[in-house]
Amino acid sequence: ETAVFQTPNYHVTQVGNEVSFNCKQTLGHDTMYWYKQDSKKLLKIMFSYNNKQLIVNETVPRRFSPQSSDKAHLNLRIKSVEPEDSAVYLCASSPTGGGGNTLYFGEGSRLIVV
Amino acid sequence: GQQVQQSPASLVLQEGENAELQCNFSTSLNSMQWFYQRPGGSLVSLFYNPSGTKHSGRLTSTTVIKERRSSLHISSSQTTDSGTYLCALVPGYQNFYFGKGTSLTVIP
Repeated sequence: ETAVFQTPNYHVTQVGNEVSFNCKQTLGHDTMYWYKQDSKKLLKIMFSYNNKQLIVNETVPRRFSPQSSDKAHLNLRIKSVEPEDSAVYLCASSPTGGGGNTLYFGEGSRLIVV
Repeated sequence: GQQVQQSPASLVLQEGENAELQCNFSTSLNSMQWFYQRPGGSLVSLFYNPSGTKHSGRLTSTTVIKERRSSLHISSSQTTDSGTYLCALVPGYQNFYFGKGTSLTVIP
């Protein structure tokens, strides 16, 4: 049963355009994440948010920025996409951060940059 | 370097055979989880298992902290088990570090 909702699920765009992916969780969790999954299935964390505070920000390019209005929402904005941004972006949430809690994932948002 | 190593990278089984998937980690852990990703789909948590052995139906997860490894055993495999199995390590408080996954194909 899906409780982490991502939109859009699929997006094709041209180099240089701006893209936004939305994520909402209905689990009442405190922490949300964005992961990037490349063509080899490797998952890398991009951001995590806990009660609207950025708590992990891996070295991702500056064109990526997380946006959160409340703890149930965490959007991902990509300003001026590049070809290497083509990937599946997965949103997840957990009750609190890290150890002792499982991650709940959304269905993913596939981005294709042409 | 990669903190989580999974093996094998891919596995093909005849339906009914058993599978043993391995996850080795190079750092201390706070949490270890196994996930299943169906082809083209999202990830589903199978086990939260920081230590010891846990069972769920045909699945068994065993984590041995001293040996820095965790395994996932699938007994009597079915075609619906096909997909990618990922382990995730939480060495600290926040980050989940994923392995590259094992791609399992079960043929009838």
